[in-house]
Amino acid sequence: SQTIHQWPATLVQPVGSPLSLECTVEGTSNPNLYWYRQAAGRGLQLLFYSVGIGQISSEVPQNLSASRPQDRQFILSSKKLLLSDSGFYLCARLGGQGGSYNEQFFGPGTRLTVL
Amino acid sequence: SQQGEEDPQALSIQEGENATMNCSYKTSINNLQWYRQNSGRGLVHLILIRSNEREKHSGRLRVTLDTSKKSSSLLITASRAADTASYFCATFSRGSARQLTFGSGTQLTVLP
Repeated sequence: SQTIHQWPATLVQPVGSPLSLECTVEGTSNPNLYWYRQAAGRGLQLLFYSVGIGQISSEVPQNLSASRPQDRQFILSSKKLLLSDSGFYLCARLGGQGGSYNEQFFGPGTRLTVL
Repeated sequence: SQQGEEDPQALSIQEGENATMNCSYKTSINNLQWYRQNSGRGLVHLILIRSNEREKHSGRLRVTLDTSKKSSSLLITASRAADTASYFCATFSRGSARQLTFGSGTQLTVLP
């Protein structure tokens, strides 16, 4: 199974408040993990990816940060949210063995609204 | 800018008709993939075509790849209302540390 869990499903936060979104994955160990953001009606913007515990690469300068404290846990955080942080956040893992190696498996997403 | 760009941005057809979506990309790729996203949900992988392949089929899906034109198309035959979703192409570039670059998507509406 390549199941990915994300929570919460929806979140409404005031500007300036902190953020913590959590993603946990099942399946093969040491997966590549990804955080994407999707604006309404738009494509996916890669925010962070991780190839292992404690290894984070940032794709776009953001008000956000990511951490990977455990092999199957990927956390997206912010100290102070901005209005522009609103969006749909998706966690993904790169596929495991065999035919799914090049596929990405996505979690159900978190809808964040910053007011 | 997005590596993959789909067109049209939106497509509305009647049930039973075929739907064709196109994708263009800019750099050399290892493979190109198509994903589907139902409203408010995560993406689901549909099909992958490798750079040395020209056409691939999976059920009602047919994907073509033209690396000389850096373009791909996704054809859904005999569409159903349940095919209503957004469709994204995504590319794995050579030496990309296994990152997928997604296009902005085509919103397909299949009317019953």
